[in-house]
Amino acid sequence: KAGVTQTPRYLIKTRGQQVTLSCSPISGHRSVSWYQQTPGQGLQFLFEYFSETQRNKGNFPGRFSGRQFSNSRSEMNVSTLELGDSALYLCASSLEKSQETQYFGPGTRLLVL
Amino acid sequence: AQSVTQLDSQVPVFEEAPVELRCNYSSSVSVYLFWYVQYPNQGLQLLLKYLSGSTLVESINGFEAEFNKSQTSFHLRKPSVHISDTAEYFCAVSSSYKLIFGSGTRLLVRP
Repeated sequence: KAGVTQTPRYLIKTRGQQVTLSCSPISGHRSVSWYQQTPGQGLQFLFEYFSETQRNKGNFPGRFSGRQFSNSRSEMNVSTLELGDSALYLCASSLEKSQETQYFGPGTRLLVL
Repeated sequence: AQSVTQLDSQVPVFEEAPVELRCNYSSSVSVYLFWYVQYPNQGLQLLLKYLSGSTLVESINGFEAEFNKSQTSFHLRKPSVHISDTAEYFCAVSSSYKLIFGSGTRLLVRP
């Protein structure tokens, strides 16, 4: 099976712009989660989707949003970018239940100038 | 709230020496514990996991971890490390459809 894929892999934006990141889960996986990784804050949970419904959300401002499509693919959007949004954004997929293993994609590295 | 603590930010070790990376968690409910490894410029790869059953779990590349409920620990060990094990290692607990990660331990294997 193909792994989790994320596009684009690298992105450079300027403050105030918005960005959309895409994630395709492993075939058959219906849960998709997003995480932000920064040197200062480490790995932080953004949100999780299952069957197009958000089941959990982390402590991020409303500028961070996401959605999931009927084919389980997911996108996350960050509006009004700030310098502090520079990070590696990781997507993970799993089957369904909370305790099941999450498989991670390679990430999208976002640099905000 | 659940949390994960990795006290060692960096662990330097010589090749072929044993290593232990420490992980402690706090939880009042059943826990599902994971170790992930991250190589430079890559995503996270699952190393091993504890869901239930035997408290000692092993990975295919020689790592093992033991779930200790009384000490709320899930330390990662390897009896003999290789240069290729140099990476960052993250301990995580699963809760409410999300993973809560520790701050990571950078394992630096020296020749």
